Amino acid sequence: SQQGEEDPQALSIQEGENATMNCSYKTSINNLQWYRQNSGRGLVHLILIRSNEREKHSGRLRVTLDTSKKSSSLLITASRAADTASYFCATATMDSSYKLIFGSGTRLLVRP
Amino acid sequence: DTAVSQTPKYLVTQMGNDKSIKCEQNLGHDTMYWYKQDSKKFLKIMFSYNNKELIINETVPNRFSPKSPDKAHLNLHINSLELGDSAVYFCASSQARTGAPYEQYFGPGTRLTVT
Repeated sequence: SQQGEEDPQALSIQEGENATMNCSYKTSINNLQWYRQNSGRGLVHLILIRSNEREKHSGRLRVTLDTSKKSSSLLITASRAADTASYFCATATMDSSYKLIFGSGTRLLVRP
Repeated sequence: DTAVSQTPKYLVTQMGNDKSIKCEQNLGHDTMYWYKQDSKKFLKIMFSYNNKELIINETVPNRFSPKSPDKAHLNLHINSLELGDSAVYFCASSQARTGAPYEQYFGPGTRLTVT
């Protein structure tokens, strides 16, 4: 079954506001990754957080990981219209299969 | 230069036909993947090859057959296409060291429409 569930499914905010997306998963993980997908395009890797890390930053992105709750959040600060996209979390399983299991995604609309 | 490329970008075909999608990566990665994204944007792994060896083979109909002639190429052949095969197919690659998945680089996708 699907590993990651994301919340909310859709989010609409004004430019300049912060956007927070949440991801929950079911089994133990090696790492968790966030990807962005613009309409009609492939996915682009944003950030990877390992299971022994709790928080990671990259530019305007902040990711947290709580392995006890099996959840992660992605915060985009000072959003821009160009941030409009779908955002997916993906969990890497503990085995050696190199497999990523993707969540259902959050569609983010940033209004100018 | 495009890191992960796929051809064709669009593919419209009739039920029962056989078609192939090609993927090439110039990143020097060891591992390549095929994903299927359905109309609800749900992305599911289908296959993965590491150094030309099949390492992931999810529950996919055997009408789907991947082939990796070398580690820079991973093709997907689909026999006897069905309406339910309509989706966007993504190729991806990664440099998976020490058994731990690293970030994946995705191609632009191939939108397959079966009529």
